[in-house]
Amino acid sequence: GESVGLHLPTLSVQEGDNSIINCAYSNSASDYFIWYKQESGKGPQFIIDIRSNMDKRQGQRVTVLLNKTVKHLSLQIAATQPGDSAVYFCAENGAFGGTYKYIFGTGTRLKVLA
Amino acid sequence: NAGVMQNPRHLVRRRGQEARLRCSPMKGHSHVYWYRQLPEEGLKFMVYLQKENIIDESGMPKERFSAEFPKEGPSILRIQQVVRGDSAAYFCASSPKGQGGTEAFFGQGTRLTVV
Repeated sequence: GESVGLHLPTLSVQEGDNSIINCAYSNSASDYFIWYKQESGKGPQFIIDIRSNMDKRQGQRVTVLLNKTVKHLSLQIAATQPGDSAVYFCAENGAFGGTYKYIFGTGTRLKVLA
Repeated sequence: NAGVMQNPRHLVRRRGQEARLRCSPMKGHSHVYWYRQLPEEGLKFMVYLQKENIIDESGMPKERFSAEFPKEGPSILRIQQVVRGDSAAYFCASSPKGQGGTEAFFGQGTRLTVV
């Protein structure tokens, strides 16, 4: 569900290692999911998306996994680089209270250590 | 094709003043969403609008906050009689359709500071 009054958890990884960022979503009827990256002082930027009829989708250095049984998304970043340092949010798109909208997860701050 | 444009990027208001935040969606997008973000927190849904219609305002405070998306011009988020607790970053996103299944594109946000 939506994050209200929760501070961001932090994931620290060594440069070159793989990162895995997890997200729990709230609505079992959500059918489209997006991962966004937000750098300091900027708006969220699209990374990768996945529809509910898929379990896995790969992009350049990123992979999204969807587990509908437990309403869980993960974002895997291969060979993490300093430029990957940011806050990552998952968003679910589905009908909430009768209207389609995008609801964001809590977010995770990724820190890449040199 | 310009992205989602928000202005101003930074806005300072004294307590009791009004704040007007503007959002021009991407060309061809008729669906706009407003979100609020406090430092070190996530994005909280406020309102979803289509041209000339408020579709869902379940995340909007009942008082002092209003939003519109006129037939011509940008979407406006209006906060009357601002208080210190209104200080936050406000982001808007636009999408070409409301039924989902398409990416929502975000603007760079307006950072409101109430002094």
